[in-house]
Amino acid sequence: DVKVTQSSRYLVKRTGEKVFLECVQDMDHENMFWYRQDPGLGLRLIYFSYDVKMKEKGDIPEGYSVSREKKERFSLILESASTNQTSMYLCASSPPDRGLVGAFFGQGTRLTVV
Amino acid sequence: SQKIEQNSEALNIQEGKTATLTCNYTNYSPAYLQWYRQDPGRGPVFLLLIRENEKEKRKERLKVTFDTTLKQSLFHITASQPADSATYLCAVNSGGSNYKLTFGKGTLLTVNP
Repeated sequence: DVKVTQSSRYLVKRTGEKVFLECVQDMDHENMFWYRQDPGLGLRLIYFSYDVKMKEKGDIPEGYSVSREKKERFSLILESASTNQTSMYLCASSPPDRGLVGAFFGQGTRLTVV
Repeated sequence: SQKIEQNSEALNIQEGKTATLTCNYTNYSPAYLQWYRQDPGRGPVFLLLIRENEKEKRKERLKVTFDTTLKQSLFHITASQPADSATYLCAVNSGGSNYKLTFGKGTLLTVNP
């Protein structure tokens, strides 16, 4: 079974802190994604990566950065956490033949910024 | 950029009936369209994918159609069960890149016993 593992299920951070959300997949997938999900707004793409060290902005990249130094790991960084970044964060990965099997999601990290 | 609209926020049906969920997109026809199921507090789970040159796809009690003229996909669950209650999301590749996956806001389906 494909596994996408996010480092934390719940996280509470203070305003202004630098926050790292880690995601690891075990299926050698080329593509990895970070989304945030908020009530009424659905899943919104923050950043995605289609190869090691490659990244592209999604729809809401402001206030975030990402790092992909190894194929299996995709990190989301909140440079200076703010309360409006309180959300459910979801990581996903998909194989290169992305049209066949869809994306596999992690269990999510519920981040609260106080 | 591509906009995905799932017309109903919520849908309630009786057990045994067929649930039909709608997904509309606004711009260019995507190469493929996907459907996911999401349970509360969990990540979405991939269900089905349909390509732009396919009209219909089936998997057990699930059926997906893709009408590029109407810019619409329909997702059907036949003989629905209370265990089918969940939020269903559609997603398309967008932004001119096959990598970028954009989701609709989802439809919360409740199947009443």
